[in-house]
Amino acid sequence: AQSVAQPEDQVNVAEGNPLTVKCTYSVSGNPYLFWYVQYPNRGLQFLLKYITGDNLVKGSYGFEAEFNKSQTSFHLKKPSALVSDSALYFCAVRPFENYGQNFVFGPGTRLSVLP
Amino acid sequence: DSGVTQTPKHLITATGQRVTLRCSPRSGDLSVYWYQQSLDQGLQFLIQYYNGEERAKGNILERFSAQQFPDLHSELNLSSLELGDSALYFCASSGSGAPGNEQFFGPGTRLTVL
Repeated sequence: AQSVAQPEDQVNVAEGNPLTVKCTYSVSGNPYLFWYVQYPNRGLQFLLKYITGDNLVKGSYGFEAEFNKSQTSFHLKKPSALVSDSALYFCAVRPFENYGQNFVFGPGTRLSVLP
Repeated sequence: DSGVTQTPKHLITATGQRVTLRCSPRSGDLSVYWYQQSLDQGLQFLIQYYNGEERAKGNILERFSAQQFPDLHSELNLSSLELGDSALYFCASSGSGAPGNEQFFGPGTRLTVL
C-alpha cells in the first residue's frame, strides 16, 4: 500500500530565507507526486507535480520540488520565503500503473514564515 | 478560484440525521473525487466517479454514498450521522481521472454534527 510521510508538523522560517518542506513516500512501482497548499478556510490548491523526466520540477508561486528516487523523497523548496507563503502544505502520491488507486495525502506540514 | 463549486458551505445537523452535499466540477472535467478532512484523520480519500460511474473507492463508510449525475455534478449522501462525522468535506475534479492529472479542489463543506 502506498503512503506518504511529512516528518515535520511545523516549519518556521524567516522571510527572505530559503524554505524546505520534506516529503517521503512509499509506493509500488513508479509514482506520480504532487504538492498542494491549503490556506485557512480554503480548499487545496495545486502547486506542482512530478510525472517523469527532469527530477527538478518548477511550479506556482516560485516553488520547486526535487524528486529523488533512491531516497524516495519529493521535497518542496523555495529560494526566498514570503510571509504570504504561510499555509498548510500537503504532499500526495499516486501510483503510475493502477487507475484504481487514488491519491494518498501526507498529514500536512504547517509552514510559518516570520517577518 | 478553482472552478469547482460546493454547496452548502456550512451544515449543522444532529446525530442520526441525513445530509446531502453537492459538487459541480470544473467545466469539462469528467472525474469527481470526494475527500474528508478531519483533525485526527487528515485528508482521506472517499470515492471517485468518472463520467457517471464509480471508479475507485477509499475509506468510505457504508453509511455514506455518492453518485455522479449525467450533467456531471455529484452528490455525497451521509446518513445516520455521528459526532465523529463532523469534518470538512472536499470535492475535487480532474479532466480524465488519469493518475497524472492534478485535481482541482472546491472550497469544501464544513459539517458539524451536534
